[in-house]
Amino acid sequence: DVKVTQSSRYLVKRTGEKVFLECVQDMDHENMFWYRQDPGLGLRLIYFSYDVKMKEKGDIPEGYSVSREKKERFSLILESASTNQTSMYLCASTGAKDYGYTFGSGTRLTVV
Amino acid sequence: AQSVTQLDSQVPVFEEAPVELRCNYSSSVSVYLFWYVQYPNQGLQLLLKYLSGSTLVKGINGFEAEFNKSQTSFHLRKPSVHISDTAEYFCAVSDTGFQKLVFGTGTRLLVSP
Repeated sequence: DVKVTQSSRYLVKRTGEKVFLECVQDMDHENMFWYRQDPGLGLRLIYFSYDVKMKEKGDIPEGYSVSREKKERFSLILESASTNQTSMYLCASTGAKDYGYTFGSGTRLTVV
Repeated sequence: AQSVTQLDSQVPVFEEAPVELRCNYSSSVSVYLFWYVQYPNQGLQLLLKYLSGSTLVKGINGFEAEFNKSQTSFHLRKPSVHISDTAEYFCAVSDTGFQKLVFGTGTRLLVSP
């Protein structure tokens, strides 16, 4: 089975901190995605990547950046965490010819 | 732009009763359609997907969905639900040129004894 692993299940950070959320997949997938999930809003796409060192903005990229230095790893960076970034963050991956994601278990981030 | 509407935010149902979770989408191009399930404190798991072919799609855990192009719908059904089906269900759409998914806001299925 494909595994998408998010390094932390729960994180608590202070306002203004730089925050790194890590995601690793083990099936050589080309495409990786970061979503945030909020009650009543569903999942919203932050950033995605089709290949190493490539990145594309999603629907809500403000306040975030990403890094993909290796194919298996896709990092989400909150440059200066704010309380409105308190959310569940979900990473997903898929192969170039596949449709339908494999998701990680999510990271619940609280910014205080 | 594509969008997905899940009209019901919450659906309560008794165990062993049938259930339908509604999903409508808007897109000007051909689409792929998906249903995902999220159990508490977990990520999303693929239930089923429609890419082409038969409009009736069968998935895991006894769920099925029917693609209706004229009504732009992809409703999820199960003839008899279990307590363990209590979860949040997300409908999603992707156009055929890309693999980005656009998700609905989710429907919480609450199954009681």
